[in-house]
Amino acid sequence: AQRVTQPEKLLSVFKGAPVELKCNYSYSGSPELFWYVQYSRQRLQLLLRHISRESIKGFTADLNKGETSFHLKKPFAQEEDSAMYYCALKALTGGGNKLTFGTGTQLKVEL
Amino acid sequence: EPEVTQTPSHQVTQMGQEVILRCVPISNHLYFYWYRQILGQKVEFLVSFYNNEISEKSEIFDDQFSVERPDGSNFTLKIRSTKLEDSAMYFCASSEGTGRDTEAFFGQGTRLTVV
Repeated sequence: AQRVTQPEKLLSVFKGAPVELKCNYSYSGSPELFWYVQYSRQRLQLLLRHISRESIKGFTADLNKGETSFHLKKPFAQEEDSAMYYCALKALTGGGNKLTFGTGTQLKVEL
Repeated sequence: EPEVTQTPSHQVTQMGQEVILRCVPISNHLYFYWYRQILGQKVEFLVSFYNNEISEKSEIFDDQFSVERPDGSNFTLKIRSTKLEDSAMYFCASSEGTGRDTEAFFGQGTRLTVV
């Protein structure tokens, strides 16, 4: 069975400060990792996925298979980054199409 | 940009009543999903649906739950006899395919309150 752990419920940073939202996963097969974001009163939307290796809105995330981590980083936080961030895993081997989510981290960027 | 649409946005129902949550997936998508999020908890997978049948379901998705694609556009989740613990945000999602590089698009959710 797969599991995703996001240890921080709330992360509060000042505008311009670096951000790192932690995500660790547990899965014995080949995973696909995602970060979803939910802005206030909006739907869950995909922020980025590990296979595309792109930067979206200044955020990056690298899959570290040795540490089973997929931390989300941004060098300089902006006020508009305040949102709920969910790390999610899709099991590519035998796990179907479902996403397994972490509990989420509320990012609050203060001025 | 096409979106997954869910109705209603908020449903209040009495314990023991049946509820139907409705979703209109993105039109060219073939895979459909329901997830739920109890307040303060994680988003949990309920069921996936493809080719007019359930392809996978979680332990949560017991006999009280059913899904249907009645008319080729709507995708519904029915809870036959609601319990207090069914109170949650229910998210519908759809995707074009499976495997690598396929994205699941989520609806805005239906908040179900069982009283």
